[in-house]
Amino acid sequence: EIVLTQSPATLSLSPGERATLSCRASQYIATYLTWYQHKAGQAPRVLIYETSKRATGIPARFSGSGSGTDFTLTISSLEPEDFAVYYCQQCSNWPLTFGGGTKVEIK
Amino acid sequence: QVQMVESGGGVVQPGRSLRLSCAASGFTFSSHGMHWVRQAPGKGLEWVAFISYDGSEKYYADSVKGRFTISRDNSKNTLNLQMNSLIAEDTAVFYCAKDPGLKHSSGNYFEYWGQGTLVTVSS
Repeated sequence: EIVLTQSPATLSLSPGERATLSCRASQYIATYLTWYQHKAGQAPRVLIYETSKRATGIPARFSGSGSGTDFTLTISSLEPEDFAVYYCQQCSNWPLTFGGGTKVEIK
Repeated sequence: QVQMVESGGGVVQPGRSLRLSCAASGFTFSSHGMHWVRQAPGKGLEWVAFISYDGSEKYYADSVKGRFTISRDNSKNTLNLQMNSLIAEDTAVFYCAKDPGLKHSSGNYFEYWGQGTLVTVSS
């Protein structure tokens, strides 16, 4: 099973600041990585697929990069609606696995 | 628009069974693989099971293998999850999710999600 490790667990930032979230895979997954945003009481929403492709309707302030085992989600300038939990997920091997999540909270 | 509505959640005793359903609309259901994903209280997301567009391929998380069965009825645009021998650790919100891949091409990620249904396993 591929283990995904997300860091940091919590990120305390102010609106307008840049957020950088990390996801590290326990083995090589090429670019088969997806990022989701999850707010309490709502369904998760896909942000980025195949490491760097923005899903439909996702603002340009969200970007993804990386390959192999190290991946990054960047939010260039945080908007109030961006404070949420973010998960990475690998789609390279069965079983599909998620990272433990990074909570982006208001400082 | 794409919509998935889960149903069948509730409170069930350990060792008992429960069947979840997901009614899908707004896309060609019979052309897409489908997943179940869950989130236990205070925990992260966990993928549970996948079924291919025609039901010929199924994959399960180790934590549910042998106890849960995923199935689909393409004539009714419905996805199901039969859960047997439930344990306390199965307590979670269960989401159905659409795979973006068409037919033999699976994206293996979750393009659209339902709102979820809560399963509570407790005596």
